[in-house]
Amino acid sequence: GQNIDQPTEMTATEGAIVQINCTYQTSGFNGLFWYQQHAGEAPTFLSYNVLDGLEEKGRFSSFLSRSKGYSYLLLKELQMKDSASYLCAVTNDYKLSFGAGTTVTVRA
Amino acid sequence: ETGVTQTPRHLVMGMTNKKSLKCEQHLGHNAMYWYKQSAKKPLELMFVYSLEERVENNSVPSRFSPECPNSSHLFLHLHTLQPEDSALYLCASSQDVAGKQYFGPGTRLTVT
Repeated sequence: GQNIDQPTEMTATEGAIVQINCTYQTSGFNGLFWYQQHAGEAPTFLSYNVLDGLEEKGRFSSFLSRSKGYSYLLLKELQMKDSASYLCAVTNDYKLSFGAGTTVTVRA
Repeated sequence: ETGVTQTPRHLVMGMTNKKSLKCEQHLGHNAMYWYKQSAKKPLELMFVYSLEERVENNSVPSRFSPECPNSSHLFLHLHTLQPEDSALYLCASSQDVAGKQYFGPGTRLTVT
Protein backbone atom coordinates (compact mmCIF):
# COMPACT_ATOMS: atom_id res chain seq x y z
CA GLY A 1 0.00 0.00 0.00
CA GLN A 2 0.88 3.65 -0.24
CA ASN A 3 0.91 6.00 2.74
CA ILE A 4 2.03 9.59 2.22
CA ASP A 5 1.68 12.08 5.06
CA GLN A 6 2.07 15.84 5.08
CA PRO A 7 0.63 18.56 7.33
CA THR A 8 -2.77 19.89 6.37
CA GLU A 9 -2.10 23.59 6.79
CA MET A 10 0.74 26.01 7.48
CA THR A 11 0.77 29.77 7.87
CA ALA A 12 3.77 32.07 7.50
CA THR A 13 4.61 35.73 7.07
CA GLU A 14 5.73 37.34 3.84
CA GLY A 15 9.52 37.18 3.57
CA ALA A 16 9.81 34.26 5.97
CA ILE A 17 10.82 30.63 5.39
CA VAL A 18 8.49 27.65 5.56
CA GLN A 19 9.39 23.95 5.52
CA ILE A 20 6.78 21.42 4.46
CA ASN A 21 7.56 17.87 5.56
CA CYS A 22 6.45 14.72 3.80
CA THR A 23 6.87 11.17 5.05
CA TYR A 24 6.06 8.15 2.97
CA GLN A 25 5.70 4.41 3.24
CA THR A 26 5.25 2.91 -0.19
CA SER A 27 5.58 -0.51 -1.79
CA GLY A 28 8.17 0.82 -4.21
CA PHE A 29 10.06 4.01 -4.89
CA ASN A 30 11.48 5.59 -8.01
CA GLY A 31 11.40 9.23 -6.99
CA LEU A 32 9.55 11.98 -5.19
CA PHE A 33 7.82 14.97 -6.74
CA TRP A 34 6.59 18.23 -5.30
CA TYR A 35 3.77 20.06 -7.06
CA GLN A 36 2.17 23.44 -6.39
CA GLN A 37 -1.56 23.91 -6.88
CA HIS A 38 -3.32 27.25 -6.63
CA ALA A 39 -7.02 27.15 -5.85
CA GLY A 40 -9.02 26.23 -8.93
CA GLU A 41 -5.93 25.57 -11.04
CA ALA A 42 -3.92 22.59 -12.22
CA PRO A 43 -0.97 21.27 -10.20
CA THR A 44 2.35 22.52 -11.56
CA PHE A 45 5.70 20.81 -11.19
CA LEU A 46 8.17 22.19 -8.65
CA SER A 47 10.85 19.56 -8.07
CA TYR A 48 11.86 15.92 -8.47
CA ASN A 49 14.24 14.04 -6.17
CA VAL A 50 15.65 10.62 -6.97
CA LEU A 51 18.82 10.56 -4.89
CA ASP A 52 19.35 11.61 -1.28
CA GLY A 53 20.22 15.21 -0.67
CA LEU A 54 19.13 18.74 -1.34
CA GLU A 55 18.03 20.10 -4.71
CA GLU A 56 17.94 23.88 -4.88
CA LYS A 57 15.98 25.81 -7.46
CA GLY A 58 15.74 29.51 -6.78
CA ARG A 59 13.62 30.22 -3.71
CA PHE A 60 12.46 26.61 -3.52
CA SER A 61 14.55 23.65 -2.35
CA SER A 62 13.64 20.01 -1.88
CA PHE A 63 15.36 17.41 0.27
CA LEU A 64 15.12 13.63 0.21
CA SER A 65 16.21 10.87 2.57
CA ARG A 66 15.26 7.52 1.10
CA SER A 67 16.37 5.53 4.15
CA LYS A 68 14.04 7.59 6.36
CA GLY A 69 11.18 7.82 3.88
CA TYR A 70 11.28 11.57 4.31
CA SER A 71 11.30 14.68 2.19
CA TYR A 72 10.79 18.37 2.72
CA LEU A 73 10.07 21.35 0.53
CA LEU A 74 11.66 24.60 1.69
CA LEU A 75 10.16 27.87 0.54
CA LYS A 76 12.35 30.92 1.17
CA GLU A 77 11.59 34.64 0.96
CA LEU A 78 7.89 33.91 0.92
CA GLN A 79 5.69 35.98 -1.34
CA MET A 80 1.93 36.38 -1.30
CA LYS A 81 1.70 34.44 -4.57
CA ASP A 82 3.18 31.40 -2.80
CA SER A 83 -0.16 30.89 -1.03
CA ALA A 84 -1.23 27.56 -2.49
CA SER A 85 -1.49 23.85 -1.82
CA TYR A 86 1.77 21.88 -2.03
CA LEU A 87 1.49 18.24 -3.01
CA CYS A 88 4.05 15.56 -2.22
CA ALA A 89 3.93 12.59 -4.61
CA VAL A 90 5.89 9.35 -4.79
CA THR A 91 6.41 7.53 -8.07
CA ASN A 92 6.65 3.77 -8.35
CA ASP A 93 7.07 2.57 -11.94
CA TYR A 94 4.04 4.04 -13.68
CA LYS A 95 2.05 5.08 -10.63
CA LEU A 96 2.19 8.47 -8.95
CA SER A 97 0.69 8.46 -5.44
CA PHE A 98 -0.14 11.81 -3.85
CA GLY A 99 -0.37 13.08 -0.33
CA ALA A 100 -3.44 15.13 0.60
CA GLY A 101 -1.51 18.38 0.19
CA THR A 102 -0.42 21.15 2.53
CA THR A 103 -2.22 24.47 2.24
CA VAL A 104 0.22 27.31 2.83
CA THR A 105 -1.17 30.73 3.64
CA VAL A 106 1.21 33.69 3.40
CA ARG A 107 0.24 36.71 5.46
CA ALA A 108 1.43 40.27 4.92
CA GLU B 1 0.13 27.29 -20.73
CA THR B 2 0.77 23.69 -19.72
CA GLY B 3 0.18 22.09 -23.09
CA VAL B 4 -2.65 19.96 -21.69
CA THR B 5 -6.19 21.13 -22.31
CA GLN B 6 -9.46 19.83 -20.93
CA THR B 7 -13.06 20.42 -21.93
CA PRO B 8 -15.49 21.26 -20.57
CA ARG B 9 -14.11 23.21 -17.61
CA HIS B 10 -17.38 22.90 -15.72
CA LEU B 11 -20.12 20.30 -16.03
CA VAL B 12 -23.38 19.78 -14.20
CA MET B 13 -25.18 16.56 -14.94
CA GLY B 14 -28.05 14.53 -13.58
CA MET B 15 -27.66 10.99 -12.37
CA THR B 16 -29.25 9.58 -15.52
CA ASN B 17 -27.23 11.62 -18.01
CA LYS B 18 -24.37 10.49 -20.21
CA LYS B 19 -21.51 12.89 -20.80
CA SER B 20 -17.86 12.79 -21.81
CA LEU B 21 -14.79 14.65 -20.63
CA LYS B 22 -12.07 15.38 -23.16
CA CYS B 23 -8.36 15.84 -22.69
CA GLU B 24 -5.79 16.77 -25.32
CA GLN B 25 -2.04 17.10 -24.92
CA HIS B 26 0.16 19.03 -27.33
CA LEU B 27 3.48 17.89 -25.85
CA GLY B 28 4.18 14.73 -27.84
CA HIS B 29 3.93 12.60 -24.70
CA ASN B 30 3.32 8.86 -24.69
CA ALA B 31 1.43 8.48 -21.40
CA MET B 32 -1.84 10.02 -20.24
CA TYR B 33 -3.72 9.83 -16.96
CA TRP B 34 -7.09 10.56 -15.35
CA TYR B 35 -7.21 11.66 -11.71
CA LYS B 36 -10.07 12.51 -9.37
CA GLN B 37 -9.57 15.29 -6.82
CA SER B 38 -12.13 15.62 -4.03
CA ALA B 39 -12.01 18.28 -1.34
CA LYS B 40 -9.43 17.61 1.40
CA LYS B 41 -8.48 14.26 -0.13
CA PRO B 42 -5.39 13.18 -2.08
CA LEU B 43 -5.43 13.07 -5.82
CA GLU B 44 -6.72 9.64 -6.79
CA LEU B 45 -5.29 7.96 -9.85
CA MET B 46 -8.09 6.48 -11.97
CA PHE B 47 -6.58 5.35 -15.27
CA VAL B 48 -3.19 5.25 -16.97
CA TYR B 49 -2.59 4.87 -20.68
CA SER B 50 0.78 4.28 -22.27
CA LEU B 51 1.00 4.37 -26.06
CA GLU B 52 -2.79 4.14 -26.17
CA GLU B 53 -2.85 0.94 -24.10
CA ARG B 54 -4.43 0.98 -20.66
CA VAL B 55 -1.86 -0.06 -18.06
CA GLU B 56 -3.77 0.77 -14.89
CA ASN B 57 -7.38 0.66 -13.86
CA ASN B 58 -7.35 1.61 -10.23
CA SER B 59 -10.54 -0.16 -9.09
CA VAL B 60 -12.70 2.51 -10.67
CA PRO B 61 -16.47 1.87 -10.94
CA SER B 62 -17.70 0.89 -14.38
CA ARG B 63 -19.79 4.05 -14.63
CA PHE B 64 -16.47 5.69 -15.59
CA SER B 65 -15.24 4.47 -18.97
CA PRO B 66 -11.96 5.77 -20.47
CA GLU B 67 -11.04 5.91 -24.12
CA CYS B 68 -7.68 6.71 -25.68
CA PRO B 69 -8.01 6.83 -29.48
CA ASN B 70 -4.46 8.12 -29.99
CA SER B 71 -1.54 9.33 -27.91
CA SER B 72 -2.78 12.94 -27.92
CA HIS B 73 -6.37 12.43 -26.84
CA LEU B 74 -8.01 10.91 -23.79
CA PHE B 75 -11.70 10.75 -22.97
CA LEU B 76 -13.62 9.86 -19.85
CA HIS B 77 -17.17 8.71 -20.58
CA LEU B 78 -19.62 9.15 -17.72
CA HIS B 79 -22.98 7.47 -17.21
CA THR B 80 -25.37 7.00 -14.29
CA LEU B 81 -23.09 8.84 -11.91
CA GLN B 82 -23.73 9.35 -8.21
CA PRO B 83 -23.60 12.63 -6.24
CA GLU B 84 -20.39 11.44 -4.53
CA ASP B 85 -18.72 11.47 -7.95
CA SER B 86 -18.82 15.26 -7.86
CA ALA B 87 -15.17 16.35 -7.92
CA LEU B 88 -12.44 17.93 -10.00
CA TYR B 89 -11.28 15.56 -12.72
CA LEU B 90 -7.73 16.17 -13.82
CA CYS B 91 -5.98 14.87 -16.90
CA ALA B 92 -2.19 14.64 -17.06
CA SER B 93 0.45 13.51 -19.51
CA SER B 94 4.12 12.56 -19.33
CA GLN B 95 6.82 11.59 -21.78
CA ASP B 96 6.74 8.05 -20.40
CA VAL B 97 4.92 6.41 -17.52
CA ALA B 98 7.68 7.16 -14.98
CA GLY B 99 8.21 10.78 -15.94
CA LYS B 100 7.19 14.21 -14.75
CA GLN B 101 3.50 14.73 -15.27
CA TYR B 102 1.92 17.85 -16.74
CA PHE B 103 -1.63 18.53 -15.64
CA GLY B 104 -4.56 20.05 -17.44
CA PRO B 105 -6.78 22.66 -15.75
CA GLY B 106 -9.40 20.07 -14.82
CA THR B 107 -13.14 19.67 -15.24
CA ARG B 108 -15.26 20.62 -12.23
CA LEU B 109 -18.05 18.03 -12.25
CA THR B 110 -21.24 18.35 -10.23
CA VAL B 111 -23.71 15.46 -10.18
CA THR B 112 -27.20 16.43 -9.11
